[in-house]
Amino acid sequence: DPKIIQKPKYLVAVTGSEKILICEQYLGHNAMYWYRQSAKKPLEFMFSYSYQKLMDNQTASSRFQPQSSKKNHLDLQITALKPDDSATYFCASSQDSSQNTLYFGAGTRLSVL
Amino acid sequence: GQQVQQSPASLVLQEGENAELQCNFSSTATQLQWFYQSPGGSLVSLLSNPSGTKHTGRLTSTTVTKERRSSLHISSSQTTDSGTYLCALNYGSSGNKLIFGIGTLLSVKP
Repeated sequence: DPKIIQKPKYLVAVTGSEKILICEQYLGHNAMYWYRQSAKKPLEFMFSYSYQKLMDNQTASSRFQPQSSKKNHLDLQITALKPDDSATYFCASSQDSSQNTLYFGAGTRLSVL
Repeated sequence: GQQVQQSPASLVLQEGENAELQCNFSSTATQLQWFYQSPGGSLVSLLSNPSGTKHTGRLTSTTVTKERRSSLHISSSQTTDSGTYLCALNYGSSGNKLIFGIGTLLSVKP
């Protein structure tokens, strides 16, 4: 059974719209992350959260807003979507925010038309 | 900025052959992990090896920190090993802010 659940698996959106990517982890971890993988590019760190608090933000645009309603949830709200936002968005978690093994969800593949 | 270079970009093997994947990085890292990304896209951590040599199953990773390089050796490759192997490093920032390489695409033929 997957321990990190991302929903939806696939998402198609129109330019200018807003979407929320869901992530829940059942590993009992205290740190959660978002990474993005665009076509032909390496995986790119976006955000890290520890105990529901933002630790690091490498996303230049304020259109990307993580939301942590519970310790094991870290959703990603994206507003004013652009075609360049098309990518696979991976949620990940680790035991804590020190340098532990990272566990990834299966990803949400977002296509913006 | 900090960079992670992986080679070769792609590799084709016959089942049973060994694979040697390379990762070179631009400055000393505090954390180095090797990941496997399946053809379907899912990611799995294989090894964490910031220095020295580590083994798990058919995998051996050797990291020479002074020379800023790491290798991943896969012995007796199987068709199920096909996928992309990613090297990722943390350059000392807090948390698991990893910088990934573009990966090596491995294809193992039966």
